[in-house]
Parts: sequence; structure tokens; C-alpha cells
Amino acid sequence: DAKTTQPPSMDCAEGRAANLPCNHSTISGNEYVYWYRQIHSQGPQYIIHGLKNNETNEMASLIITEDRKSSTLILPHATLRDTAVYYCIVRGGANFNKFYFGSGTKLNVKP
Amino acid sequence: DGGITQSPKYLFRKEGQNVTLSCEQNLNHDAMYWYRQDPGQGLRLIYYSQIVNDFQKGDIAEGYSVSREKKESFPLTVTSAQKNPTAFYLCASSIRAGGELFFGEGSRLTVL
Repeated sequence: DAKTTQPPSMDCAEGRAANLPCNHSTISGNEYVYWYRQIHSQGPQYIIHGLKNNETNEMASLIITEDRKSSTLILPHATLRDTAVYYCIVRGGANFNKFYFGSGTKLNVKP
Repeated sequence: DGGITQSPKYLFRKEGQNVTLSCEQNLNHDAMYWYRQDPGQGLRLIYYSQIVNDFQKGDIAEGYSVSREKKESFPLTVTSAQKNPTAFYLCASSIRAGGELFFGEGSRLTVL
């Protein structure tokens, strides 16, 4: 399975865009990139996922580089409620039914 | 509303006692999962089940057991063989194996 690398923490001002990077240099062609977030002491919440095209939904946008070795999750207008740990996960291939959660990025949205 | 219900939310037990954590879903999902989370860490997969009466070990199955007798239910037993059982336990389900995960609110187990 492809492993991911994320910065341990980031700060963002309320109302500004939050851009969370993720490196997945060993990703293979049939593996998807998923993003989840976890607010303190709650279950993780699905945000978005993609294979190679950029994706957008009501929560966020996912930008995947052309070589698929990295991606960026964009929260366009961060609010205080977006403070959470964000996990970038690569899933697919032989272990398609397993999600591997690393340590994630703690996003601190500040007023 | 459809969702995943874990109980109890908080549980305290003495060392050496077996503990069973409940996970029920009414989403009609085929696959269910148990994860463990330690402070400041990511989630680690304990067991998963793709279909009723079938389950597989995850990465840290030692000291745990599960059953999947009904589609809606996937209880986890933390046995006395688990060396460090104090943790936050999360149950999840997906419509099929490999699909998007939906999580419960978690159960926090403290062994005294």
C-alpha cells in the first residue's frame, strides 16, 4: 500500500482558504486518494476522494498532481468548526478494503 | 435517521476482565470495521467483515475477537490477552468492501 506523508500541524485564519498537502509518491494506478477529518474525540468524517481528476463537493476541493504523487485538500473559507485532524489516505489495489490512517494534519483555524 | 451506534461511550474495567463493545448499523451496509486509536495517533485496523458470518484480521488483531452473526451488528470483545487495552475504539461500515467509510462516535475504554 502507498503510504502518505502530511505535515503534523497547520494554522489558518478564519475566512481564508486552508490548503492541506499530502505526499503519496508510491501510489499505484488503481489507488484512490481519500480525505477524512476527525474532530476531537469523535468518529472521522468523510470529506472527498479522487483518482486522478480534481474533485469538488460542498465541503472541499481535491487537487491531484498530474503524476499523482501528491495532492492538496482545499477548504475554501475555513471556519472555527473546521479545526480538526485531517487524514489523507491512499486506498486500493490488493488491499482495497483497508483504509490506512496515518497521524494526519492538525488544522488550527484561528479567529 | 440511519447511522452507526456504538455503546457504551465510556467504559471502565479492571485488568484481566473481558469487555465487549457494541456496534450496530441501520444503513444496510455489507462491510463493517473496527479501529483502535491511541492518543495523538492515527487509526489502526483491528478486524473487518465484508459479509455476514465472515471476518478477517486487520493489523492488530491479537487480543481481540469479533463475530458477525447479523448484518447490522459487529461486536468487538477485548480479551484479557490484549496487553494495552486502554484506547478509543471506532466502528465503521461501508456499503460494500472498499466503499466509503461511515464511522460511529466511538467507545473509550479505560482499564484500571
